[in-house]
Order: sequence, then structure tokens, then C-alpha cells
Amino acid sequence: GQQVMQIPQYQHVQEGEDFTTYCNSSTTLSNIQWYKQRPGGHPVFLIQLVKSGEVKKQKRLTFQFGEAKKNSSLHITATQTTDVGTYFCAGEPNTGGFKTIFGAGTRLFVKA
Amino acid sequence: EADIYQTPRYLVIGTGKKITLECSQTMGHDKMYWYQQDPGMELHLIHYSYGVNSTEKGDLSSESTVSRIRTEHFPLTLESARPSHTSQYLCASSVSGLESEQFFGPGTRLTVL
Repeated sequence: GQQVMQIPQYQHVQEGEDFTTYCNSSTTLSNIQWYKQRPGGHPVFLIQLVKSGEVKKQKRLTFQFGEAKKNSSLHITATQTTDVGTYFCAGEPNTGGFKTIFGAGTRLFVKA
Repeated sequence: EADIYQTPRYLVIGTGKKITLECSQTMGHDKMYWYQQDPGMELHLIHYSYGVNSTEKGDLSSESTVSRIRTEHFPLTLESARPSHTSQYLCASSVSGLESEQFFGPGTRLTVL
């Protein structure tokens, strides 16, 4: 079936280091979304990418959507302790169906 | 802040009890979802709805049932709770179409003894 794979599962960084999480789909996606879930909280929408090769930035966060619309990445520059949490990608397969498929998430730990 | 609410926030019950987890949204969203999530783990879609009188099972087999009689309300019911149902249950909603970001409720943490 359709899957969205996300790596790594966990990442420990020192504060100030960069961090990247990758998302790969087995099928072409019509869009990709990214969410952040703080420990003990609920997922919160960060951004949506729709166009092939699209790049969007939010302060220290850079989001990319691959040319083939099957992969995406989230890069955080100079991590801070406030970046701690789990980052989920979620893709909507380009099959005319309804369902958004979530990746398993990357849990980010930042050591001060 | 999204206008999506879940009650109760925490629930501890005994095995065999029937429970209903409430979810309401005031945004007029057509689509609503229920996810099950263990702490620090992935989201498992257990039910979703396109709109009123439409419900579908998700990817994860669940012994729960849902109903969608009104647009704003999407309750989840467990007829007979078991310890294996202990988890966090997250409700979400979204509009139809490409602008389909999901707004999540705060979740219900369920513990079945």
C-alpha cells in the first residue's frame, strides 16, 4: 500500500547544530505537509508544499519538496532547545483519493 | 488557535466499561479524523469522515466506532474498554481541497485498568 517513510527516527543534537529530517513516499504526492508535536502536546501544522521543487523558509526552518514530488525534507539551522519535539511529514497521494498519510515522525532532542 | 475541542482530556476507567470520547469543531470543516498515538510514537489513523453520515475505518484496526450526525461533532465510542486501549486519542479536522491542513484537538489520554 501507499507509504510515507520518514528518517531518522531519532536525532540528538547539541544546541546550535543543524538538523534535517527526510520524508519519502512510494507514490507521487499532490502535496506534503509538515507538523510539529511538542512533548505532551498535539501536532501543530507548520507548512504545506504543493509545487514540484518548491522551497519555503520559516526563520531557521527550510522545507523542500522534491522535483518528482515523492520526497521532502525539513532542515533546521542552528537548533535551539525550543525546537525539541517530533516532526511529522504528511503526504496526500496524487491518486484522487482522500487520505493524508503521516510519516512515523522524527523525534528531535536538543542538548543545551 | 484552532477551534477544536476534545473531552475528557484524561480518563481512567476499568475494564469492560463503555466510553465515548467527544470531539467538536466550530470551523465548519467537512473532514474529521481520529488518531491513536502512544507516547512519542507515530500517529495511527483509526477513523475518518468526509462529512455528515460518512464514516470510514482507517489504517489501524480498532474496536471503536464513530458517528457523524452533525458536521461539528465526531464522537468515538468503545463498547467495552480493555487495557490494550490505553493510549492517547487525537481528533483532527480539515477543509476539503488542497488547503487541507489538519487542525488537531488537545487529545484524550485514556487509561484502562
